[in-house]
Amino acid sequence: DGGITQSPKYLFRKEGQNVTLSCEQNLNHDAMYWYRQDPGQGLRLIYYSQIVNDFQKGDIAEGYSVSREKKESFPLTVTSAQKNPTAFYLCASCRGGRNQPQHFGDGTRLSIL
Amino acid sequence: GNSVTQMEGPVTLSEEAFLTINCTYTATGYPSLFWYVQYPGEGLQLLLKATKADDKGSNKGFEATYRKETTSFHLEKGSVQVSDSAVYFCALSDRAFGNEKLTFGTGTRLTIIP
Repeated sequence: DGGITQSPKYLFRKEGQNVTLSCEQNLNHDAMYWYRQDPGQGLRLIYYSQIVNDFQKGDIAEGYSVSREKKESFPLTVTSAQKNPTAFYLCASCRGGRNQPQHFGDGTRLSIL
Repeated sequence: GNSVTQMEGPVTLSEEAFLTINCTYTATGYPSLFWYVQYPGEGLQLLLKATKADDKGSNKGFEATYRKETTSFHLEKGSVQVSDSAVYFCALSDRAFGNEKLTFGTGTRLTIIP
């Protein structure tokens, strides 16, 4: 079955450490997205990519970095510059074009040790 | 800029009750509108969508009508079940920018009691 796979499901970060969250899709979608979800808030866009080797900052990109070397993969690195990284991170992909919905993975929950 | 305002939660209903979750939006262009549902510990799933004024999206007994005159997209279901317990998000995609970005509401937690 086609879908989006995020790993790991749970991740712990020590102070000063960078961690990378994986997102892989086999839907042949062009666009991919990373969101952060905090309790009682909606989803906030971190980064998005519409094609390979290109990506744009979303609303809360500071302290995060991404790469898009392959169409199927869009990893997110949470750097030590992100002072409040504890959150639920969601990856999504979209076929592109008008009115296409985004498809989401099951998320990674990141906590600070 | 674009924004989505959702009914404050949490909402608790008895099984077989009628459900309405209000959603209003502000957008600069001609947005497409979506409802997503999130079950505990999972990502979001598309529930329904509408792409132009007066369109009605429907799925699994849920419905929402795109009302341009009131800038609303309220979610309704005639008879809820315990399995409908989840968090519901209203979202818009501004057609001026294609589908590059979705703007989400804050979500409404729904709990159905037997």
